[in-house]
Amino acid sequence: EDQVTQSPEALRLQEGESSSLNCSYTVSGLRGLFWYRQDPGKGPEFLFTLYSAGEEKEKERLKATLTKKESFLHITAPKPEDSATYLCAAAINNDMRFGAGTRLTVKP
Amino acid sequence: SQTIHQWPATLVQPVGSPLSLECTVEGTSNPNLYWYRQAAGRGLQLLFYSVGIGQISSEVPQNLSASRPQDRQFILSSKKLLLSDSGFYLCAWSVRSDQPQHFGDGTRLSIL
Repeated sequence: EDQVTQSPEALRLQEGESSSLNCSYTVSGLRGLFWYRQDPGKGPEFLFTLYSAGEEKEKERLKATLTKKESFLHITAPKPEDSATYLCAAAINNDMRFGAGTRLTVKP
Repeated sequence: SQTIHQWPATLVQPVGSPLSLECTVEGTSNPNLYWYRQAAGRGLQLLFYSVGIGQISSEVPQNLSASRPQDRQFILSSKKLLLSDSGFYLCAWSVRSDQPQHFGDGTRLSIL
C-alpha cells in the first residue's frame, strides 16, 4: 500500500536552532515529491517539488532533499515566522498522497 | 497569474441539510481540480478529482458528490449532511497530476 509518513508529529525549536523534518514514503511509481507549508485555518502553500533522488531545492532558510526512500526539509536558523505545519506529498499516477504533517513551533 | 477562489470560508449546517461548496480557478485553462477533506491533526484525504468538464473520479464512497459544470468550476455537494461530514474542505488545482497542487483557503464546515 502506498504510504507517506512524516516525523516528528510536532517539533519545538528555539529561534536559530536548526533542525530537519522527515518524510518517508513507500510508493510505487513516484512521479514527484512535494513540500507544502500550512498556516492555521489556511490552505497549504506550495514550497518545493523534487523529482529524482539526489535533487535539492532551497528557499531562504529551507532546503529540501530527496533520496529513494525519504525526503528531508532542513530548516536553518529558523525564525518565529517559520512556525507552521509542514506537509509532504507524493504524486502517484493521478493521485497525490499526503503525510499527516509536522507541526513546527519556533520560540523567540 | 492563477488564482483559486473557494467559498464560503465557514459554514454551520444542521444534520440532514443539503450542501454546496463552490470553487473557481482563474488564469489557467483545463486544470486538474481536486476536493480534499482535512480532519484536525491529520493529512489531507482526497475526495474527488477531475481532469475535465463532466469527468469526476471519486476516491471515497460517501454521501458527497462533485460536479464540474464549467472548465474552471468545481462544486462539492451533499443531499443530506451527516455529523461525520464536519471538517475542513479544500479545493485545489494543478496543471498535471505530477505538478504541484495549489490550494484555496478552505471551508470550515460544522454540522450540528
